[in-house]
Amino acid sequence: SQELEQSPQSLIVQEGKNLTINCTSSKTLYGLYWYKQKYGEGLIFLMMLQKGGEEKSHEKITAKLDEKKQQSSLHITASQPSHAGIYLCGASGHNTNAGKSTFGDGTTLTVKP
Amino acid sequence: DADVTQTPRNRITKTGKRIMLECSQTKGHDRMYWYRQDPGLGLRLIYYSFDVKDINKGEISDGYSVSRQAQAKFSLSLESAIPNQTALYFCATSDAKAGAQPQHFGDGTRLSIL
Repeated sequence: SQELEQSPQSLIVQEGKNLTINCTSSKTLYGLYWYKQKYGEGLIFLMMLQKGGEEKSHEKITAKLDEKKQQSSLHITASQPSHAGIYLCGASGHNTNAGKSTFGDGTTLTVKP
Repeated sequence: DADVTQTPRNRITKTGKRIMLECSQTKGHDRMYWYRQDPGLGLRLIYYSFDVKDINKGEISDGYSVSRQAQAKFSLSLESAIPNQTALYFCATSDAKAGAQPQHFGDGTRLSIL
């Protein structure tokens, strides 16, 4: 089965600083998703990446998928307290596993004012 | 209104009780899922359904059952609740279109079993 490893497990940054969260897969990714979760609340879908080398941005958050489609990074520029939360990556299975997703354990981000 | 609605949002109950968690969606998606989230263990799939007549076990289905009453409704039951089923439960949906499709989550049900 496909496993996703996220790093770091937790991150504390000063407001205004940039940061990067990584998600590494044991297998080639068919679809890679990034979610944000406020503590104790639901997961909010941020963006999806499918093609090797693809990059997408939403406000100050940019996500990239490497050419080999085994690693994705989420980069936040000029972090704000509103960026705090848990970031999870998820990945779709291919063929027989289509429709099922695997999730990383999450990266907890704290932004200090 | 939320696209994926879970009820109740919070529930405290006693060991041995039967509990049902409900999920309804307005996204028109065929695929629905139930997960539980525990600190340090991430999201774990309990059951999933790809259409009204389809029910599949996930990685941790023991102690749980589900019912897909309609395309828009997927309920999770704990027949006889036990304390280690205390967790945050999420329902999710996804489109059945070809290609990678993200899952969309409800706000969760926090379940505590005493």
